[in-house]
Amino acid sequence: DAGITQSPRHKVTETGTPVTLRCHQTENHRYMYWYRQDPGHGLRLIHYSYGVKDTDKGEVSDGYSVSRSKTEDFLLTLESATSSQTSVYFCAISDQLAGVSGANVLTFGAGSRLTVL
Amino acid sequence: TQLLEQSPQFLSIQEGENLTVYCNSSSVFSSLQWYRQEPGEGPVLLVTVVTGGEVKKLKRLTFQFGDARKDSSLHITAAQPGDTGLYLCAGALQGAQKLVFGQGTRLTINP
Repeated sequence: DAGITQSPRHKVTETGTPVTLRCHQTENHRYMYWYRQDPGHGLRLIHYSYGVKDTDKGEVSDGYSVSRSKTEDFLLTLESATSSQTSVYFCAISDQLAGVSGANVLTFGAGSRLTVL
Repeated sequence: TQLLEQSPQFLSIQEGENLTVYCNSSSVFSSLQWYRQEPGEGPVLLVTVVTGGEVKKLKRLTFQFGDARKDSSLHITAAQPGDTGLYLCAGALQGAQKLVFGQGTRLTINP
């Protein structure tokens, strides 16, 4: 019943290699987000998208890029992975921009655990 | 520095006990949400509060938004092992169009 899927769910890579995480939604929501979750920090926004080819930076965007060529897909790319990017990455979707409306609901994917050695 | 401070960060209690988790800030929020996350899954929304002083109940869970809209609490009555998980608060910063998350409270209910 998942309206949002992330792939891969687990990945181990080496420092300096490129990595792409994919988020796919079937809900036709306008807004898509990439967060990272680290102990003691909660969820921190990396980038978000407000439409096809429309993206903006979040609070921890350095070292990450995103692309959205179709409504349903939002890709997160680490051009050259570093150990500090070891984390669990969550994609989320919403039909209104997070932080604007009290009625806004974020629906999260199951997460992608990335380990950079 | 976290805009939203949750306390405690870890809590382990016995089944049947009551507990309260706090989410505090010096900033004002137009709304505040509570999410629950289980291992290997993404957070799932429990409730949204939008009015200062608002109280919402979800079975044994009671959520309160502070009068000044700077803080919130989650109270669980007669905790059960199924309540185990990571609880996250998230606030919509007033006038900033930004959603910020607390660090989370990892709750363990022992049978």
